[in-house]
Amino acid sequence: DIQMTQSPSSLSASVGDRVTITCRASQGIGNYLAWYQQKPGKVPKVLIYAASTLQSGVPSRFSGSRSGTDFILTISSLQPEDVATYYCQKYDSAPLTFGGGTMVEI
Amino acid sequence: EMQLVQSGAEGKKPGESLKISCKGSGYSFTNYWISWVRLMPGKGLEWMGMIDPSDSYTMYSPSFQGHVTITVDKSISTAYLQWTTLGASDSAIFYCARHGYASSARSWFDPWGQGTHVIVSS
Repeated sequence: DIQMTQSPSSLSASVGDRVTITCRASQGIGNYLAWYQQKPGKVPKVLIYAASTLQSGVPSRFSGSRSGTDFILTISSLQPEDVATYYCQKYDSAPLTFGGGTMVEI
Repeated sequence: EMQLVQSGAEGKKPGESLKISCKGSGYSFTNYWISWVRLMPGKGLEWMGMIDPSDSYTMYSPSFQGHVTITVDKSISTAYLQWTTLGASDSAIFYCARHGYASSARSWFDPWGQGTHVIVSS
């Protein structure tokens, strides 16, 4: 099965900082990659799908990109409400594996 | 508004059986696959398996194959996740999630149910 390696596992940044989270697939998955945000005690919410398509209603400071089997989630200017755990997920084929998660703190 | 509403929290003993539910509304239930996801305390999200409500075709993660069963009753727009024998390691929050792309297993998840908290303890 394809493994999804997400890094870092946690990070601390200041308000206004640019933050990047990386997800590496062990094999090619095309653009079949989504990013989710889960705030403490809340339900996960999709931010980006198809590697770089912003879900409707998601702030434009979130963006996604791909380089081969590396996928990057960027928060251009970190806000206090962005404190959450972020997950990548591949959905090219079963199993629809999640990355290990990145906890973002201020 | 499309939404998934899950059944309430459960407290069970090891060895007992359990079936939790996920009712869809606000969209054509049979047109979108449903997946189940586990969140254990202090751990990350884990995909368990999925079902096509139109024909009940299922696919499971190797990690959960044989330990859980996913079913659906399309007459009441409800999907289920069930265990015949619970273990202490089954204590977690379980989410159902609708696939965002119609009629496709290859999809991101949106929306998600509110989660069902299961505690297994003697």
